Amino acid sequence: DSGVTQTPKHLITATGQRVTLRCSPRSGDLSVYWYQQSLDQGLQFLIQYYNGEERAKGNILERFSAQQFPDLHSELNLSSLELGDSALYFCASSSGQGGYGYTFGSGTRLTVV
Amino acid sequence: QQQVKQSPQSLIVQKGGISIINCAYENTAFDYFPWYQQFPGKGPALLIAIRPDVSEKKEGRFTISFNKSAKQFSLHIMDSQPGDSATYFCAASSDRGDAGGTSYGKLTFGQGTILTVHP
Repeated sequence: DSGVTQTPKHLITATGQRVTLRCSPRSGDLSVYWYQQSLDQGLQFLIQYYNGEERAKGNILERFSAQQFPDLHSELNLSSLELGDSALYFCASSSGQGGYGYTFGSGTRLTVV
Repeated sequence: QQQVKQSPQSLIVQKGGISIINCAYENTAFDYFPWYQQFPGKGPALLIAIRPDVSEKKEGRFTISFNKSAKQFSLHIMDSQPGDSATYFCAASSDRGDAGGTSYGKLTFGQGTILTVHP
């Protein structure tokens, strides 16, 4: 157990729908990162939050949004889902703001049908 | 300029052999180079990492070799074991972020190498 908890583990939904993925970081970690892993694109950085504030942004689609709450858990919202959004979504956490010392969760496998 | 290129895509070695995975980068602002190991159904796990002020770092059977002038780094797994069979990713990041300051915490990953160690 990495200490980073992601729920749900699996999600199947239809095109056009909206889903919310949840992440609880390791105790004491202030940064939360979201990554998308697909077969053709590999691991792609989506967004980072540090202590409740957006800190860095990757090629995150406008249909996707995230937030980090006062208790430091984070949610990734995916809307108007398309077949191409099917992927593994990983959350990671770290104590600092930099790109080191990441601990990844086990991921949420999203299937859009 | 943000890419990290990893090779080979797949690698098969015999138990006890040496596994070598290579990565190359272009962005000279990168200053942190980790390697991650991922088993099926699991998230990537940090294996070993290096900063460009050293040319080599060893932790047990795992060694990173770093060539700053060539902008290349590699992972060597000595005495490879069947339990090492997994997907390995190299990555890079910059504490300074990019010019626009929008990628401070971002890890740029290579495409991954599927390692199979035969008993």
